[in-house]
Amino acid sequence: NAGVTQTPKFQVLKTGQSMTLQCAQDMNHEYMSWYRQDPGMGLRLIHYSVGAGITDQGEVPNGYNVSRSTTEDFPLRLLSAAPSQTSVYFCASSKAGTWGTGELFFGEGSRLTVL
Amino acid sequence: GENVEQHPSTLSVQEGDSAVIKCTYSDSASNYFPWYKQELGKRPQLIIDIRSNVGEKKDQRIAVTLNKTAKHFSLHITETQPEDSAVYFCAASTPGQNFVFGPGTRLSVLP
Repeated sequence: NAGVTQTPKFQVLKTGQSMTLQCAQDMNHEYMSWYRQDPGMGLRLIHYSVGAGITDQGEVPNGYNVSRSTTEDFPLRLLSAAPSQTSVYFCASSKAGTWGTGELFFGEGSRLTVL
Repeated sequence: GENVEQHPSTLSVQEGDSAVIKCTYSDSASNYFPWYKQELGKRPQLIIDIRSNVGEKKDQRIAVTLNKTAKHFSLHITETQPEDSAVYFCAASTPGQNFVFGPGTRLSVLP
């Protein structure tokens, strides 16, 4: 298994541009989520999904959009990039029935810089 | 909602010494407390976890203790080694809810 795969690993955007961070997992995990990591602030939840066709907002959802059309994929869209969205983004997944009670498997991260 | 605090934010220890990182949580309904280790430039990975029906759990050189009454839990690393240098995150959650992570502790093990 490849686990959780994120692309791209690095991206530089100009203010106002849009882009999509891709996330795919091959473990048949039901739960998927997106976090952003900023210095001194830990991991903050952006959006999450408990299954195909179901998404919900996390702690910091503004400026981001998600969809979950398949079990495997959970892309994160930045609609109009702002410098405040400069961060490292992590996708994470967990097995069915372990939402909030079991291991989160993280991708390698995507470092985004917005100029 | 849940709030997780973590201390210290940075910790330096001599190789071979012990390290302790403490977290407090606010929601008494939280019952699952994992610890993640993130090496520089890498992804966070689970190293140990504890559930509210257990007071202590050990795995070789690492251990976690939980005090439900005081709503705090701690990570203990004994006989620290250079490869223990990393950022450590604690988290708290309940079934069907998302994790809330602490802000992290940067541990440096000095040779």
